[in-house]
Amino acid sequence: ETGVTQSPTHLIKTRGQQVTLRCSSQSGHNTVSWYQQALGQGPQFIFQYYREEENGRGNFPPRFSGLQFPNYSSELNVNALELDDSALYLCASSVQDTYEQYFGPGTRLTVT
Amino acid sequence: GQQVMQIPQYQHVQEGEDFTTYCNSSTTLSNIQWYKQRPGGHPVFLIQLVKSGEVKKQKRLTFQFGEAKKNSSLHITATQTTDVGTYFCAGSGNTPLVFGKGTRLSVIA
Repeated sequence: ETGVTQSPTHLIKTRGQQVTLRCSSQSGHNTVSWYQQALGQGPQFIFQYYREEENGRGNFPPRFSGLQFPNYSSELNVNALELDDSALYLCASSVQDTYEQYFGPGTRLTVT
Repeated sequence: GQQVMQIPQYQHVQEGEDFTTYCNSSTTLSNIQWYKQRPGGHPVFLIQLVKSGEVKKQKRLTFQFGEAKKNSSLHITATQTTDVGTYFCAGSGNTPLVFGKGTRLSVIA
């Protein structure tokens, strides 16, 4: 086991709603990255958090936002959900300035 | 923006055959990582390559980074059913990590 946990496992939302996904980092890791993985695609980088601040962002609109807490856990918030937001959302924890990322099991989000 | 392309998209092999997946970047990379994702699972880090022309081995897996640091390959010798999954390369240049679409490997026993 990687030690990275995510909740919930699955989620069904309606278009226009808002969702919050949660991630607990592996012990000792201070950096969290969030990815969106559509079916049959590779993970796409959403953003990274380090020391509770955004430390890099991919090509995602502002309705995707995040938080990192003092215990290094993290949240991903998505507002005004669209059908194309349906995907597996993965968080990955690491130690800043190291390269190995440990992925969590993901949250499967379905938007109807 | 930076793009990372992988071929083939799918590969079906008989158990015991070799397998290779190729990764090409539109820009020069500072490093490349490889991940394996089992069906229904999450990506698991395999290795990172940093140096031009670098070759690393992990048991039956051989990873190469091109001289120009724009391409990479993963070769599996004598595949086993446990090798089933999707193999992703992910490159980092001046951008955050960019994943390819992956190569899905099926192994027929």
